[in-house]
Amino acid sequence: DTGVSQNPRHKITKRGQNVTFRCDPISEHNRLYWYRQTLGQGPEFLTYFQNEAQLEKSRLLSDRFSAERPKGSFSTLEIQRTEQGDSAMYLCANSGQGASGANVLTFGAGSRLTVL
Amino acid sequence: GQQLNQSPQSMFIQEGEDVSMNCTSSSIFNTWLWYKQDPGEGPVLLIALYKAGELTSNGRLTAQFGITRKDSFLNISASIPSDVGIYFCAGPTSGTYKYIFGTGTRLKVLA
Repeated sequence: DTGVSQNPRHKITKRGQNVTFRCDPISEHNRLYWYRQTLGQGPEFLTYFQNEAQLEKSRLLSDRFSAERPKGSFSTLEIQRTEQGDSAMYLCANSGQGASGANVLTFGAGSRLTVL
Repeated sequence: GQQLNQSPQSMFIQEGEDVSMNCTSSSIFNTWLWYKQDPGEGPVLLIALYKAGELTSNGRLTAQFGITRKDSFLNISASIPSDVGIYFCAGPTSGTYKYIFGTGTRLKVLA
């Protein structure tokens, strides 16, 4: 599988718990993005990495959210002390330079979070 | 946050009809991307546009990069039931690699 892989696909948690999502990108692409999508809305930008460096963060990414990309490969998005308003689909996307996929985003299937 | 505006918000059409939708921005874009999203899945790229005035086709889909660089259009010819879904436009904000998405056009095709 050469696509973007996200795990878990679904997560149900109780308010106040911490959750972590993982994204395994297309290996040769060096920019990795996280988006949040709520029902009926378009994807909202959260943050992106170029290799291991986190270059931009949205104001949507409160201090309860943290994203990492150690070694510039896979990435994790952690949400601490979840709130019901965090319920959404969290999408990971990959983009990079070069002939394949240059200047386009390739998305994973997403991780759907439900906070009870 | 900053968003692209898409119209119409939703459309119901008969199978076989042609569909047109557009995407507008208050600022100039250098790239326009069109995606389709099925329920419970991530968006899938349909067409990418890189130059003002560019017209690009992908099967029954045709997209155009507006000459003002502030809009883009997507047309679907002879719609079929599997065209059902949400269509999003997207592009990088000026001078960055931060991609923003439109509000979406929801398409339903009646057989």
